[in-house]
Amino acid sequence: KAGVTQTPRYLIKTRGQQVTLSCSPISGHRSVSWYQQTPGQGLQFLFEYFSETQRNKGNFPGRFSGRQFSNSRSEMNVSTLELGDSALYLCASSPTGGDNSPLHFGNGTRLTVT
Amino acid sequence: EDQVTQSPEALRLQEGESSSLNCSYTVSGLRGLFWYRQDPGKGPEFLFTLYSAGEEKEKERLKATLTKKESFLHITAPKPEDSATYLCAVQAFMNSGYSTLTFGKGTMLLVSP
Repeated sequence: KAGVTQTPRYLIKTRGQQVTLSCSPISGHRSVSWYQQTPGQGLQFLFEYFSETQRNKGNFPGRFSGRQFSNSRSEMNVSTLELGDSALYLCASSPTGGDNSPLHFGNGTRLTVT
Repeated sequence: EDQVTQSPEALRLQEGESSSLNCSYTVSGLRGLFWYRQDPGKGPEFLFTLYSAGEEKEKERLKATLTKKESFLHITAPKPEDSATYLCAVQAFMNSGYSTLTFGKGTMLLVSP
């Protein structure tokens, strides 16, 4: 079974630009969560989608948004990039989310904002 | 507010030198506590889920235990390949009524041959 796939692996953007990251969950998994990982803050929850609906949202500004498609693939978008948005963005999937099944993570997209 | 604190931040061991990592948490309505391993440049890899105080889980040289306020990850006779960052996370409900994982900042473990 293929794991969670995130594309691209690396991105370099300039302040003020916007970026879209993509995530393909494990086949059959309908819940997709996004996390931001930085050395200082660790993993911080961004949002979770299930059946194309956002179920949970973390404490991030409105510049961070996401969506999920009918095939469970998900994208997240960051607009008006700031230097502090440089981070590893991780996507994770689970069969239904919200229960005790573990999250399965992709290897992330490393975003650098200059 | 749910909080997860891991200690130590970093730990250096000699091969074969056993030790424990700590994860203390404050959460209302714990549904589960998770341990993950993360290698450099990769996403976290699931190790264990613990649900109630007194529960223990084992996998090779790792054993995870849970009390009402903390969890320990015991590493017995570690090998260099056990070097990684170990992350602890708690599952708790958000205002939406759905639960999500809150992570600690991790313990970076280095095992020298």
